[in-house]
Amino acid sequence: KNEVEQSPQNLTAQEGEFITINCSYSVGISALHWLQQHPGGGIVSLFMLSSGKKKHGRLIATINIQEKHSSLHITASHPRDSAVYICAVVGGSNYKLTFGKGTLLTVNP
Amino acid sequence: EAGVTQSPTHLIKTRGQQVTLRCSPISGHTSVYWYQQALGLGLQFLLWYDEGEERNRGNFPPRFSGRQFPNYSSELNVNALELEDSALYLCASSSDSGIVGELFFGEGSRLTVL
Repeated sequence: KNEVEQSPQNLTAQEGEFITINCSYSVGISALHWLQQHPGGGIVSLFMLSSGKKKHGRLIATINIQEKHSSLHITASHPRDSAVYICAVVGGSNYKLTFGKGTLLTVNP
Repeated sequence: EAGVTQSPTHLIKTRGQQVTLRCSPISGHTSVYWYQQALGLGLQFLLWYDEGEERNRGNFPPRFSGRQFPNYSSELNVNALELEDSALYLCASSSDSGIVGELFFGEGSRLTVL
């Protein structure tokens, strides 16, 4: 079993829809990252959080440490949001990232 | 301000050869991380350098190695290339040692091993 599980693996939405991507992990963590990867490979860090909730524009990330779960929400989705969204956790004292396999989001106009 | 830069962007090697990939972090960042993204496997942590020293490494054989220079740039070396080393190699930097700060990624070096 992967230490970091994301769901869904693939998600197709219509422009304007509210999107939720989930991430569950099985190890103790000190922080969790949400990353966005566009075709061609470039990765952008969207959020780093260790508790509560963060918001940036149309993106919202939440984390529940007790339940070992995080969600990434996209409001009013747009075709330019189409990308792979990756959850990564910073485990214990090792300071190494463990990644989920990613969620491929496609937003159709 | 320049972001994280990696070179080369693409390269093709044959089995048994050696390759060196380079990464320049954002100015002022002392930590550099290397990741491998092989097809179908997702991102995997390779190496972490901070202040010129290797701080941690992932589950990769010793033929994957690297170093960090006094200016905090870094090299990743892969010896005795195997077909399964074909992947996108990503470098990231952080001003906060221990990946508890924001990470900034380069565009990656795509390696094809024939």
